[in-house]
Amino acid sequence: ETGVTQSPTHLIKTRGQQVTLRCSSQSGHNTVSWYQQALGQGPQFIFQYYREEENGRGNFPPRFSGLQFPNYSSELNVNALELDDSALYLCASSLVRGGETQYFGPGTRLLVL
Amino acid sequence: GDSVTQMEGPVTLSEEAFLTINCTYTATGYPSLFWYVQYPGEGLQLLLKATKADDKGSNKGFEATYRKETTSFHLEKGSVQVSDSAVYFCALSDQRAGNNRKLIWGLGTSLAVNP
Repeated sequence: ETGVTQSPTHLIKTRGQQVTLRCSSQSGHNTVSWYQQALGQGPQFIFQYYREEENGRGNFPPRFSGLQFPNYSSELNVNALELDDSALYLCASSLVRGGETQYFGPGTRLLVL
Repeated sequence: GDSVTQMEGPVTLSEEAFLTINCTYTATGYPSLFWYVQYPGEGLQLLLKATKADDKGSNKGFEATYRKETTSFHLEKGSVQVSDSAVYFCALSDQRAGNNRKLIWGLGTSLAVNP
């Protein structure tokens, strides 16, 4: 069974640029959640996707957007990057919508200069 | 809104010492409670969970009991190892949210175990 994978592992961007992060969910999982984890902080919920539709969103501006594909993989897009967007971005998948047990990928560390 | 408060770290222990990491929560509904662990350079891993009052979650020698009367879910281990060095996160999920459940996290407690 393949676990949750994310790419890239590290990324450096400059302020104002756009970035796309990718996540492959665990086999058989149809729900993907994205979290932002700033250094020394707990993860903050960005949004969740279920069967290609957004299923809940945290307190993040619209420049954070996402997609889920028919194979349940997902993308997180961030436009007009700001310095405060520097963080570890975590993807988690769960077997069902509303499933409490989430399986996390290793994360993508984004640095905005 | 719902929230989770963890004891501040870092916590430094010697190998075979007893570990307690405190976690308390505020929730208006009926939360499920979780402990996740993040080893250096890795993503988060579910360590244990409990879904109702008085439930005890356990895994890899770690235990935590869901205490509704004290709104707590303290993590304990009787004898820590160097390999337990990691950051531990307490989290909750409101069961009333149904299909829109999301995890609400504490800030994390860093544990360093010395040989």
